[in-house]
Amino acid sequence: TQLLEQSPQFLSIQEGENLTVYCNSSSVFSSLQWYRQEPGEGPVLLVTVVTGGEVKKLKRLTFQFGDARKDSSLHITAAQPGDTGLYLCAGTNFGNEKLTFGTGTRLTIIP
Amino acid sequence: KAGVTQTPRYLIKTRGQQVTLSCSPISGHRSVSWYQQTPGQGLQFLFEYFSETQRNKGNFPGRFSGRQFSNSRSEMNVSTLELGDSALYLCASSPRFGVPTYGYTFGSGTRLTVV
Repeated sequence: TQLLEQSPQFLSIQEGENLTVYCNSSSVFSSLQWYRQEPGEGPVLLVTVVTGGEVKKLKRLTFQFGDARKDSSLHITAAQPGDTGLYLCAGTNFGNEKLTFGTGTRLTIIP
Repeated sequence: KAGVTQTPRYLIKTRGQQVTLSCSPISGHRSVSWYQQTPGQGLQFLFEYFSETQRNKGNFPGRFSGRQFSNSRSEMNVSTLELGDSALYLCASSPRFGVPTYGYTFGSGTRLTVV
């Protein structure tokens, strides 16, 4: 079973600060996706990365896929209260494209 | 365009009963996946359907089953409900099977409580 460990599990910071969330595994993934989930709703796709070393930016969010395709990070610059939510990474396997979700990081931005 | 629609939103059932949940994917999406989300286990994959065929299955007992219709709508069924089946059940759709770059669009889920 491939596991995706996210750290930290919980993060509470002040508005305007920067933060990084990590997603790590001992397994290689064919692609990795990041989702954000708000209470009472389903996860919403933020980005998909497929190439080792790939970096994608979405406004204040920067996503990186590790060179070895085993890990990823999400960096948020100047966090805002609207960034509050549960951040989930999810990987797909070569030849078996079901999503394996990470353990999640619950982020709270304090105004 | 309309998103992924799951019905019902909330459900309360008694142990031993069975339940059927419904998912209507985004128009044109032919792949439907189901996930169970609990505080302790997080999001776990149940199964994925494409063109009315189950293409992938997670590690859940046979009490959990599903099907997909010709219009891509999907249902999942849980028989002989147990307290541990209480969870948020999420459905996700994608345009194709096996192309992760398309990503998945999730519904708002069905919150099942077993008492």
